[in-house]
Amino acid sequence: AQSVTQPDIHITVSEGASLELRCNYSYGATPYLFWYVQSPGQGLQLLLKYFSGDTLVQGIKGFEAEFKRSQSSFNLRKPSVHWSDAAEYFCAEGSQGNLIFGKGTKLSVKP
Amino acid sequence: DAGVTQSPTHLIKTRGQQVTLRCSPKSGHDTVSWYQQALGQGPQFIFQYYEEEERQRGNFPDRFSGHQFPNYSSELNVNALLLGDSALYLCASARKQGFRGTEAFFGQGTRLTVV
Repeated sequence: AQSVTQPDIHITVSEGASLELRCNYSYGATPYLFWYVQSPGQGLQLLLKYFSGDTLVQGIKGFEAEFKRSQSSFNLRKPSVHWSDAAEYFCAEGSQGNLIFGKGTKLSVKP
Repeated sequence: DAGVTQSPTHLIKTRGQQVTLRCSPKSGHDTVSWYQQALGQGPQFIFQYYEEEERQRGNFPDRFSGHQFPNYSSELNVNALLLGDSALYLCASARKQGFRGTEAFFGQGTRLTVV
């Protein structure tokens, strides 16, 4: 069965520092991968997606992610974090027509 | 475009009661999925509706049922509520069921508390 793993439950970074959130997936064929962000008590907003093609994908709010098939990973990155990026981030896989989510990584940003 | 709208935003129910949550999909979308997000967890897929039929279902008991109307809106019904049903219930809409990886748009969710 498909699964998505986000190894880091909580990450704290300083404002202006770079960020990388890890995501590993388990799926034999080409996965359909997504990163969503959720602010407290809110729904999910799509940051970016990968279906095929260029393995480095750009998203909204300055985020990017790189698909690495050899490592079964789809890590999210941002070169300079802003205080407003503090939220929970979810990686998801959607090749079966529904979304399988990881447990999420909570991002805190220090001033 | 109003996006995906869910109602109500918050709800408190007693154990054993029944609840109905509602979702209106984004304009142009015909597929609605429901997810349960327990506190501190990622969303878990409940089921998906397309053309007024349940097309896929996650690992949830029959107490969870749904409906899709001709205008593509949807309801989630939960019977015999348990304390463990307390969660944020998210509705997501997309175009064209069965298209793998179709981008899904989420509503703000309904926070259900069972006491």
